[in-house]
Amino acid sequence: DQQVKQNSPSLSVQEGRISILNCDYTNSMFDYFLWYKKYPAEGPTFLISISSIKDKNEDGRFTVFLNKSAKHLSLHIVPSQPGDSAVYFCAANFKAAGNKLTFGGGTRVLVKP
Amino acid sequence: DTAVSQTPKYLVTQMGNDKSIKCEQNLGHDTMYWYKQDSKKFLKIMFSYNNKELIINETVPNRFSPKSPDKAHLNLHINSLELGDSAVYFCASSHLSGKETQYFGPGTRLLVL
Repeated sequence: DQQVKQNSPSLSVQEGRISILNCDYTNSMFDYFLWYKKYPAEGPTFLISISSIKDKNEDGRFTVFLNKSAKHLSLHIVPSQPGDSAVYFCAANFKAAGNKLTFGGGTRVLVKP
Repeated sequence: DTAVSQTPKYLVTQMGNDKSIKCEQNLGHDTMYWYKQDSKKFLKIMFSYNNKELIINETVPNRFSPKSPDKAHLNLHINSLELGDSAVYFCASSHLSGKETQYFGPGTRLLVL
């Protein structure tokens, strides 16, 4: 029973272009959504988050969009850089359950120079 | 100045052994978590502690026992290790209230032979 899904296991994009990563969820009780970036042999690193009461949050090259009615969020990276090559995890937080984070399966992004 | 640290980074052991993984955070957070990343790369919550009190306890075999001596430390003890316990275990920390962003350690790669 996967409550958070990332349907694209991988994404390849040219340097300078936009990367769009998608995430779908099923539980309407989630109150916060986060994106984490993970390099091999390292722990996930927090990237950007969005509250369930917002529809957009922007931080430099990273923008997260939330569509609550569709239970869908996306992460836009523009412009993409080779250092962005990593696995990106979408996560949903359920605060009432003790800040329980539920992760998607991840999307591997490769940015080609 | 590591924020969340784990020891050891790698752990290779025989089936049936008992082992511990240690986690420490210096972020002043009041909540700590253990996650397991399995062979399919899914990150799943196992436990969380808030001020030494167990908050989240997912369906995990009782061979796994977390111990929190103080709010800066959360250790994971595993009894009678099985082949299926082979995974990467991540520790994380956050404030229970507020922005809920969890910060992860580098992971402990456990291989049970």
